[in-house]
Amino acid sequence: EVQLVESGGGLVQPGGSLRLSCAASGFTFSTYEMTWVRQAPGKGLDWVSSTRNRGTIIYYADSVKGRFTISRDSAKNSLYLQMNSLRAEDTAIYYCARLSTAWNAFDIWGHGTMVTVFS
Amino acid sequence: SYELTQPPSVSVSPGQTASITCSGDKLGDKFASWHQQKPGQSPVMVIYQDSKRPSGIPERFSGSNSGNTATLTISGTQAVDEADYYCQAWDGSTCVFGTGTKVTVL
Repeated sequence: EVQLVESGGGLVQPGGSLRLSCAASGFTFSTYEMTWVRQAPGKGLDWVSSTRNRGTIIYYADSVKGRFTISRDSAKNSLYLQMNSLRAEDTAIYYCARLSTAWNAFDIWGHGTMVTVFS
Repeated sequence: SYELTQPPSVSVSPGQTASITCSGDKLGDKFASWHQQKPGQSPVMVIYQDSKRPSGIPERFSGSNSGNTATLTISGTQAVDEADYYCQAWDGSTCVFGTGTKVTVL
């Protein structure tokens, strides 16, 4: 079964850091592009970052550029999101999603992990 | 920055057709996809490349994209289709999601 499982969310104070992980299974992780998408409570979907071309090309939303870092470890079939200098507005469920290269669309989504930034 | 605008809500009676629009500048020149999200659940892709359905998505879901508007159509809407729907497109290296539409089946 194709599956994405996120972990690493939690409570953190403004200015703090968290590292999210996404464990992939059921498919050849190294051949797929991956993405992080977040959703603030009661709000819509908000793209965060994508890694394309097996990780050689990385894109970030302006709202997280310079604070968040996406990375991947194909040996561990895992995607990561290092989040630094966290702000209250980063509070959200963070989803890991598989980006189908052929379709240029997100065909598999994880269940999400909650990040709460509070003072 | 590029924006995709959707109506906040659409109401439909069971068995009728629901149409959800997604508007963006020259959206028809890009590929649009659509994602369904039920309360407390992760999104699920229901349409990709404007009009293609992934395996397992019912035939009642269809899509089109032309000019500045992409449209998701649900024919013979069922109660299980009640959810939030989001369009999505790429503007160069930036992914953009629509504002989202809540579909209510009355």
